[in-house]
Amino acid sequence: NAGVTQTPKFQVLKTGQSMTLQCAQDMNHNSMYWYRQDPGMGLRLIYYSASEGTTDKGEVPNGYNVSRLNKREFSLRLESAAPSQTSVYFCASSEHPGQGITEAFFGQGTRLTVV
Amino acid sequence: AQSVAQPEDQVNVAEGNPLTVKCTYSVSGNPYLFWYVQYPNRGLQFLLKYITGDNLVKGSYGFEAEFNKSQTSFHLKKPSALVSDSALYFCAVRGLNTDKLIFGTGTRLQVFP
Repeated sequence: NAGVTQTPKFQVLKTGQSMTLQCAQDMNHNSMYWYRQDPGMGLRLIYYSASEGTTDKGEVPNGYNVSRLNKREFSLRLESAAPSQTSVYFCASSEHPGQGITEAFFGQGTRLTVV
Repeated sequence: AQSVAQPEDQVNVAEGNPLTVKCTYSVSGNPYLFWYVQYPNRGLQFLLKYITGDNLVKGSYGFEAEFNKSQTSFHLKKPSALVSDSALYFCAVRGLNTDKLIFGTGTRLQVFP
């Protein structure tokens, strides 16, 4: 039972390069999330998706785009990476409030460095 | 706006003593509240949640948390701390009719032998 799988685990980008972080969950959850974790800042929500085909901005969406490709997959794209986007990125999934609350399940994270 | 405050960056406690990690929240309507723990270079692990019902919630590894609606707080507690409890702890909140899940800035717990 894989849970939430993120790829890649590590990535180094040059300023201005683009990349997509992939996330997939096998728990049939409706809700999916992308967070970034920075020292002293905790986890900050970038984007979330309540269901396939819907996405909403979180606390820090600037510089990012997302795609909810299907119920399983939620990708995060950096179109033009900046050093300020150096961070650890976490994907998570959970169930709808209306479907009964579950806690969020997290992937193992992607450590991204932009030089 | 939905938010979580963890007022202490770090909490230090001696092994065997009780510990408390504080959390206050702001959300429209009834809250759903969560505590997570993160060990070095690891993802987040779920500890416990408050959805409804009894204000005292028991979770993994002997942790518990008390929901206080009037003080909008959800403090994490443990009667007797272990050195192995040393980690980063996060409080999180989501509202009744939203999927938005917001985390606090985290509190580092250090338990000394």
